Amino acid sequence: ETGVTQTPRHLVMGMTNKKSLKCEQHLGHNAMYWYKQSAKKPLELMFVYSLEERVENNSVPSRFSPECPNSSHLFLHLHTLQPEDSALYLCASSQGGGEGETQYFGPGTRLLVL
Amino acid sequence: EDQVTQSPEALRLQEGESSSLNCSYTVSGLRGLFWYRQDPGKGPEFLFTLYSAGEEKEKERLKATLTKKESFLHITAPKPEDSATYLCALVSGGYNKLIFGAGTRLAVHP
Repeated sequence: ETGVTQTPRHLVMGMTNKKSLKCEQHLGHNAMYWYKQSAKKPLELMFVYSLEERVENNSVPSRFSPECPNSSHLFLHLHTLQPEDSALYLCASSQGGGEGETQYFGPGTRLLVL
Repeated sequence: EDQVTQSPEALRLQEGESSSLNCSYTVSGLRGLFWYRQDPGKGPEFLFTLYSAGEEKEKERLKATLTKKESFLHITAPKPEDSATYLCALVSGGYNKLIFGAGTRLAVHP
């Protein structure tokens, strides 16, 4: 595997379910990001991790819970989501989290909340 | 407040018909402006980073330029495979936070 991978690629869940999205980067980077891309809206940053420490939480509701066990893996735990949370969830990584570093994106997880 | 605005929202070109996409921005101290390409159902693919006014970068049929208020992505003699959504993003705030424009959907027809 190369670059940034995400699993699953597609997910359908009910509002009472609990699920997790997984991201893995094979680039040797130390910073990882979660973004949300809703229909008709720009990409929106959710969380930033640098050296496994959460350094940014962009006012995201608590039903989204990130986890970064090491610099290569990032999870987004989902519980009691709402239909408006349906979107493409994108993971990205960069070298160290410094300003102006290029972020490389994974293919995304398409989430549908029923 | 930092802001990114892209225009046009959508652009249809004939193969070989050159054009430009615009990204207007306001930011308190430019720390990087990025261009990405996104195909339907996929993640954004990095194209260019520009850091200072006057900077230009090229890759195949694409050329990105930057002034103090806007960036242009020039597409020379486009081909159908250049059809995609092109996203502009700006470093805003700490920790390499990016804010994205809404994108320009480009369709190139044979």
